[in-house]
Amino acid sequence: GGIITQTPKFLIGQEGQKLTLKCQQNFNHDTMYWYRQDSGKGLRLIYYSITENDLQKGDLSEGYDASREKKSSFSLTVTSAQKNEMAVFLCATETGGARYAEQFFGPGTRLTVL
Amino acid sequence: GEQVEQLPSILRVQERSSASINCTYENSASNYFPWYKQEPGENPKLIIDIRSNMERKQIQGLIVLLDKKAKRFSLHITDTQPADSAMYFCAASTGYQNFYFGKGTSLTVIP
Repeated sequence: GGIITQTPKFLIGQEGQKLTLKCQQNFNHDTMYWYRQDSGKGLRLIYYSITENDLQKGDLSEGYDASREKKSSFSLTVTSAQKNEMAVFLCATETGGARYAEQFFGPGTRLTVL
Repeated sequence: GEQVEQLPSILRVQERSSASINCTYENSASNYFPWYKQEPGENPKLIIDIRSNMERKQIQGLIVLLDKKAKRFSLHITDTQPADSAMYFCAASTGYQNFYFGKGTSLTVIP
């Protein structure tokens, strides 16, 4: 087994602020994801990374940057927080294998922008 | 259109009745179909999955059906309990780095 850690668990920011969210995993999985989940809604892909130093944009990448400096960690930066924004950011890792892959989710970071 | 469509978005059922959630997918190459349950304030957790070489899978009170011809798969929760109340997400994957999630179903089981 393994574990995915996301920090911080709760993040309160100000409008226009740059905010960084971190994700660590010890599954030794190559691929990692960042999703955004708005209240009562589905998951939208922001960025993913298939290996160290790789970055791939998802459908929602505008307004975000990401960084994969190590295999075990994947960071997401909100470049300019939007007023009254509230969402949960979920990090996930994916098992290897070209045919069948499974995703595991971290506990999430809950963002509130004042 | 959406890669994976999930319906209904809201579902309310009486305790001990069955609940069904349906998903359709676009890509016929999809071969792995997981279902996630997300309780309030928690991360999504895998509860059951089915691969393209199967048509039916059951784990206790959870049944998943897959109709590849119709590109449709469904989750059936039998004998529902209030503890089954949660958001449920389906997903379809063609393999590595190709996951598409449905928009979720909010299930409420009424005692």
